[in-house]
Amino acid sequence: AQSVTQLDSQVPVFEEAPVELRCNYSSSVSVYLFWYVQYPNQGLQLLLKYLSGSTLVKGINGFEAEFNKSQTSFHLRKPSVHISDTAEYFCAVSEAGRRALTFGSGTRLQVQP
Amino acid sequence: DAGVIQSPRHEVTEMGQEVTLRCKLISGHNSLFWYRQTMMRGLELLIYFNNNVPIDDSGMPEDRFSAKMPNASFSTLKIQPSEPRDSAVYFCASQGDRGLNEKLFFGSGTQLSVL
Repeated sequence: AQSVTQLDSQVPVFEEAPVELRCNYSSSVSVYLFWYVQYPNQGLQLLLKYLSGSTLVKGINGFEAEFNKSQTSFHLRKPSVHISDTAEYFCAVSEAGRRALTFGSGTRLQVQP
Repeated sequence: DAGVIQSPRHEVTEMGQEVTLRCKLISGHNSLFWYRQTMMRGLELLIYFNNNVPIDDSGMPEDRFSAKMPNASFSTLKIQPSEPRDSAVYFCASQGDRGLNEKLFFGSGTQLSVL
């Protein structure tokens, strides 16, 4: 079975600063990796996903993530954050051939002016 | 399309009562997932359906929980009897059929409080 670890429960950052949200996974088979964002009182929305090919994946709202197979990581980055990026971010994994996602515990990004 | 629609948005009930949560999928989608979100356990997959058939219900906590898809566009999650530890936000999500890794579309959730 796969699992996902998000190392930081909260990340405070000032507006226009860069940010990295960390995600590590474990699985005995090939996996697909995702980042979802949850704004207050809303459901989750897909930011980006890695299925195959280039290990650097670009998503919406200026976010990108890099798949590192040797380190089993899929960290999310943004070079300059905005107040509107304040939300909870979830890393998720699915095993090849399966639909269901396993989510990490989430990282709350708090962007301060 | 209005997206995934969940009802009610908020439910407050007393321990022992039956609770029914509802979810309408996006038109044309054929996979449906029920997730539960709590502070302690994060997002947990309860069950998912593909083409109205339950594929994986290993996340359903116990027999008090049941989920159905009476038709291709609608699902219910029932808790009977409810207990305070069932208090959580319950999300459903739908997925299209273009591939196993097509993105999930989440509803806004149902905030359940069992007193």
